[in-house]
Amino acid sequence: EVQLLESGGGLVQPGGSLRLSCAASGFTFTGYVMNWVRQPPGKGLEWVSAIIHSGDNTYYADSVRGRFTISRDNSRSTLYLQMNNLRAEDTAVYYCARDPVGMSDYLDYWGQGTPVTVSS
Amino acid sequence: AIQMTQSPSSLSASVGDRVTITCRASQVIRNDLGWYQQKPGKAPKLLIYAASTLQSGVPSRFSGSYSGTDFTLTISSLQPEDFATYFCLQDYNYPWTFGQGTKVEIK
Repeated sequence: EVQLLESGGGLVQPGGSLRLSCAASGFTFTGYVMNWVRQPPGKGLEWVSAIIHSGDNTYYADSVRGRFTISRDNSRSTLYLQMNNLRAEDTAVYYCARDPVGMSDYLDYWGQGTPVTVSS
Repeated sequence: AIQMTQSPSSLSASVGDRVTITCRASQVIRNDLGWYQQKPGKAPKLLIYAASTLQSGVPSRFSGSYSGTDFTLTISSLQPEDFATYFCLQDYNYPWTFGQGTKVEIK
């Protein structure tokens, strides 16, 4: 069974840092591009970042580029999101999701999400 | 970044109704678009990818189509479990972008 389990969310002050983790199981982790997507309270979805199989290429939304860093440890089947210089507008539930990257891209499995609150 | 304009933002419908939701891309994205359903407190669920391919296990009352930069999600006969919020997502190039969402409510 495919499982994605996020952790690491919590309350942090503006300007602070947090590292999210997403532990993957039930599939060959190296066969997938991995993504982070977030959802502010009561609002829509925002794609945040992606990392290819090897970790050599990463992609970011303009709103987080230069502050967030995505990485992966294929030996541990774990995805990470290092979030620095956090702002109130980063408050959201953060989901990890996988992209099979065959003929088409899509997000076919998602974790349950981990909440991040940026507030003083 | 490519902008996705989704409409309507909400709609009220009855069980058995045919429902149509649209997304318009700000540029050509071929068929690189997916549709996702989200229920309160839950993670999104993939319904359709490549504009018109039904994800495994998704009921056939859901369908997708496109013409140029206009994409459509159709629910042929709305069921009680379909009341949810629906999002489109362009995966043509990074940064990927979502539509604003359409909340489907019970009339």
